[in-house]
Amino acid sequence: ETGVTQTPRHLVMGMTNKKSLKCEQHLGHNAMYWYKQSAKKPLELMFVYSLEERVENNSVPSRFSPECPNSSHLFLHLHTLQPEDSALYLCASSQGSARYSYNSPLHFGNGTRLTVT
Amino acid sequence: KQEVTQIPAALSVPEGENLVLNCSFTDSAIYNLQWFRQDPGKGLTSLLLIQSSQREQTSGRLNASLDKSSGRSTLYIAASQPGDSATYLCAVPSTGANNLFFGTGTRLTVIP
Repeated sequence: ETGVTQTPRHLVMGMTNKKSLKCEQHLGHNAMYWYKQSAKKPLELMFVYSLEERVENNSVPSRFSPECPNSSHLFLHLHTLQPEDSALYLCASSQGSARYSYNSPLHFGNGTRLTVT
Repeated sequence: KQEVTQIPAALSVPEGENLVLNCSFTDSAIYNLQWFRQDPGKGLTSLLLIQSSQREQTSGRLNASLDKSSGRSTLYIAASQPGDSATYLCAVPSTGANNLFFGTGTRLTVIP
């Protein structure tokens, strides 16, 4: 079983749909992250949660809504998305508080490939 | 804002060759520098993390160096193998910013 599991692996949704991405980590980490990876662009940080508290919201549109019910689970709720939101959405986790957790490596899931039609 | 550049964007080498991947960053106030590997359709796998006080870090056939003052890092891969084919990304967390800034990666192909 991989350390960070993301479901679904692929998702196709219309602009009026509501869907959720799920991430679960089995590493005992206490910081979790959502990243967006678009073609030919650097990974973009979306949200950071540390000890279930959101510590970073990187100017993400409100059509993306994160939820972290506990330190092992992270969700990204999606509604009324745009075609330009099509991308690979990656979840990651690390040990320690978010501000200092970059001193321990991030562990990534395999991502959800999202297509908005 | 920190900017991270990786050149070249793509590289093809014959199997067995030693190679160097480059990473440069604009703001030298960093906690560390991290190298990742990404296989097609997959997430990122952490390879090496060099603390800002270190000059290099080694893991197997991989050796990463860091020159903070010049804003550069290199990833050296010895005796390359087809299984090394992947995209390699570097990333730096800047002090004072709760973010890990990534480059766009170098796509490596090792030809058997």
